[in-house]
Amino acid sequence: DIQMTQSPSLLSASVGDRVTLSCKASQNIYKYLNWYQQKLGEAPKLLIYYTNSLQTGIPSRFSGSGSGTDYTLTISSLQPEDVATYFCQQYNSWYTFGAGTKLELK
Amino acid sequence: QVQLKETGPGLVQPTQTLSITCTVSGFSLTSYYMQWVRQTPGKGLEWMGFIRSGGSTEYNSEFKSRLSISRDTSKNQVFLKMNSLKTEDTGVYYCARDFRGGGVMDAWGQGASVTVSS
Repeated sequence: DIQMTQSPSLLSASVGDRVTLSCKASQNIYKYLNWYQQKLGEAPKLLIYYTNSLQTGIPSRFSGSGSGTDYTLTISSLQPEDVATYFCQQYNSWYTFGAGTKLELK
Repeated sequence: QVQLKETGPGLVQPTQTLSITCTVSGFSLTSYYMQWVRQTPGKGLEWMGFIRSGGSTEYNSEFKSRLSISRDTSKNQVFLKMNSLKTEDTGVYYCARDFRGGGVMDAWGQGASVTVSS
C-alpha cells in the first residue's frame, strides 16, 4: 500500500500569508494526487486534482505542484475562510489519504 | 444541482451489520463511479470501495471480507453494508461521486455518523 505523509500536522499563519503544505508518498505516484479541504463538521471538498488542476469554483489562490513522491499545495494569500484541515490523496494505486494538515490563523 | 445524502442507523451494536443508503440527485448513477470513504478517530480518512457506472465493484482489501456495495439505479440509491462491526468502526461514513472514474471525488454527501457500541 502507498502511504501518504503530510507535513506539518498543524500550521499557524496570518491573513495574507503565502502558505505551503506538503505531502510525500511512499513511492512514485506519477502526479495522481488530489487535495481536499475539510472544514469543521463538513465533508471534504475537492480543491485540486491530478497535482495541479484546479477544481471548478475553487479560488485561484489555491495551486498545486509536484512530481514523483513530493507534492505541495500552496495558498498564495491566506483568507479567514481557508481555516480548515487539508488532506492529500493518491490515486495511482487504489486510494489512500494523508493524515491532514490543520491550518489555523495566527 | 448535484446532491448526495447518506442515511444510516446512528448506533450499531458490536458484531452487527451496518447499512447505509446514499441517495443522489442531479446526476445519473449509470454515468459515474460512486465511492465510499469513512473517517474514523483511529485511522482518519479511509477508502472503502466503489461501484462503477456499469455496476461492478471494487473493495479495499482491509474491508473486503465484510463489505458489500450495491445500488438501485431506479431509486438513485447506493448502498453500503458491512458486517461484523467493531468499536473501531465508529466514525463518519461518506459517499462520494468520482467524476473521472479513477479516484477523483468531486462531490460528497454530508456523511452518516455511526457509533458502534453496546
